Amino acid sequence: EVVLTQSPATLSLSPGERATLSCRASQSVTSTFLGWYQQKPGQAPRLLIYGASSRATGTPDRFSGSGSGTDFTLTISRLEAEDFAVYYCQQYETSHWTFGQGTKVEMK
Amino acid sequence: QLQLQESGPGLVKPSETLSLTCSVSGVSISSTSYYWGWVRQPPGKGLEWIGSIYFSGTTYYNPSFKSPVTISVDTSRNHFSLQLSSVTAADTAVYFCVRHRTVTSPLRLWGQGTLVTVSA
Repeated sequence: EVVLTQSPATLSLSPGERATLSCRASQSVTSTFLGWYQQKPGQAPRLLIYGASSRATGTPDRFSGSGSGTDFTLTISRLEAEDFAVYYCQQYETSHWTFGQGTKVEMK
Repeated sequence: QLQLQESGPGLVKPSETLSLTCSVSGVSISSTSYYWGWVRQPPGKGLEWIGSIYFSGTTYYNPSFKSPVTISVDTSRNHFSLQLSSVTAADTAVYFCVRHRTVTSPLRLWGQGTLVTVSA
């Protein structure tokens, strides 16, 4: 099983600031199979990034993904009010999908 | 518009079987080559993939999943189902149904989720 560890657990930032979220895998993940999701309270997760760096339909360009191997990053260049949420990374390379435990981006 | 909608009992007793259905609208399950699956989220916790089924009926499950699980598809009713047997309080969660293109595709389409509580 590929264990994904996200850090930090919570990120306290103000609107307009830059957010950098980390996802570290216990073994190498092909970047093609790494995704990021955003979840707001009471809602289903929404795919933001797939293939480590490709934006899903409707994802604003202030969101960007990068990384390879065991280290992946989601960056929000300038936080807007609607971006305060929980973010999960997921690997879907193996037939045993796993998610990270999530990073909460909260308003400072 | 393509939508997924979960339904089923919101309360299940320990040791009994949890049964949920995901109704698909806007497309016929049998007419498209997609996988249909389930993901759950215990209150205040992260996401756990349970398993998925291909439109033809082929299934694959999370090998780390502790509870006995069965996913089935009913193309005549255009829905797919989840059964977890011998549930415990640890199975209390919001259950989401999802759709994905292949076994190595991200989850682009999600249902809104349904909370199932396991309690006597």
